[in-house]
Amino acid sequence: GAVVSQHPSRVICKSGTSVKIECRSLDFQATTMFWYRQFPKQSLMLMATSNEGSKATYEQGVEKDKFLINHASLTLSTLTVTSAHPEDSSFYICSAKLGSTMNTEAFFGQGTRLTVV
Amino acid sequence: GESVGLHLPTLSVQEGDNSIINCAYSNSASDYFIWYKQESGKGPQFIIDIRSNMDKRQGQRVTVLLNKTVKHLSLQIAATQPGDSAVYFCAENLSSGGGADGLTFGKGTHLIIQP
Repeated sequence: GAVVSQHPSRVICKSGTSVKIECRSLDFQATTMFWYRQFPKQSLMLMATSNEGSKATYEQGVEKDKFLINHASLTLSTLTVTSAHPEDSSFYICSAKLGSTMNTEAFFGQGTRLTVV
Repeated sequence: GESVGLHLPTLSVQEGDNSIINCAYSNSASDYFIWYKQESGKGPQFIIDIRSNMDKRQGQRVTVLLNKTVKHLSLQIAATQPGDSAVYFCAENLSSGGGADGLTFGKGTHLIIQP
């Protein structure tokens, strides 16, 4: 299947700093990528939909000014957690779809473990 | 709001036995469902999907059943192996449009394969 790569896989940052997470589709172009957050022993929660060349669409309750998303190319989306706090510590996962239509398989990255100290 | 649910948080089966993982969904507008496997510290891995115009789909050692009448989805894994130990999530595609086409995940079932 298609490969989606996230970087870094783990990051520890100090409270108040910002962290950038990259999501790349390695062997296909993705006009749409998705960002999820997963707390320990919980399910994945959709945070936002990242659209190439336009503004991201955020889910209800997700602060767009805190979680900055940039999708500047068809193979790269970035999520920046600004002014991180310990409660932002979580597993962040991106996904990308092969096609632009609905009901097609989404491929997931390996996730980024963010720890804010 | 509507969401995909979970029947059992943990399921333990003997190696070689068959396992069935269940999922209930409440969004009647959903028309695409997927099962994912997630190992500790990793991203979800696609297992099998099914569209709402089908009630059964088979893959290698896995079968997904969809019962739209009772809004129920199940994943059957045949002849389980130690490598099947993981958390399994069902997910539904948000068909309501509005620009977002992300997935709604269920709470997950932790499948444990006993030797």
